[in-house]
Amino acid sequence: AQKITQTQPGMFVQEKEAVTLDCTYDTSDPSYGLFWYKQPSSGEMIFLIYQGSYDQQNATEGRYSLNFQKARKSANLVISASQLGDSAMYFCAMREGVHNQGGKLIFGQGTELSVKP
Amino acid sequence: SAVISQKPSRDICQRGTSLTIQCQVDSQVTMMFWYRQQPGQSLTLIATANQGSEATYESGFVIDKFPISRPNLTFSTLTVSNMSPEDSSIYLCSGETGITGELFFGEGSRLTVL
Repeated sequence: AQKITQTQPGMFVQEKEAVTLDCTYDTSDPSYGLFWYKQPSSGEMIFLIYQGSYDQQNATEGRYSLNFQKARKSANLVISASQLGDSAMYFCAMREGVHNQGGKLIFGQGTELSVKP
Repeated sequence: SAVISQKPSRDICQRGTSLTIQCQVDSQVTMMFWYRQQPGQSLTLIATANQGSEATYESGFVIDKFPISRPNLTFSTLTVSNMSPEDSSIYLCSGETGITGELFFGEGSRLTVL
């Protein structure tokens, strides 16, 4: 069974600083995908970044990067130059297997990030 | 990316009644899923909505309580049957797209059961 763990219920960061949100996963499937989503107070789920298990390089999307450490089974999200608008819940998620093959996305418990001015 | 519209966006329901949530995608998607997010909690997968066949339910969710239809590749419904206050949650429809297969979500349907 797959499992996603986010151990930080809440995090604070000063505006313009970088912050790392932790995520560890557990799977026996060699093929999997890791995702990060942002959920602001409005409730919508916003896709941020993706990392495939076979990807050689860490994924980056603008101010978001994913620190993928396969041996440690961790996929931490790094947000650089935090902005007030980054205050939200952040969810890590995993899918086993290849996409479009019916694999479901399982979510971690989430981390609430608060950016201080 | 595709856009998902969910209706209703919110509702207040009486105990014992049923409510159907509609999910419309503006393009065809292979996979559609229904999630529940209880207050202050993460997303829990209810079921995979299969086009033209019965949905695949996760452990703890049954068809009698959460019947799902998916008559085509762009539309699905979730019914929450015989509601109790414990069913008060946000229900989210999602579809799979893109090269990476990320899920995109509707804005959710916030149900309050009195």
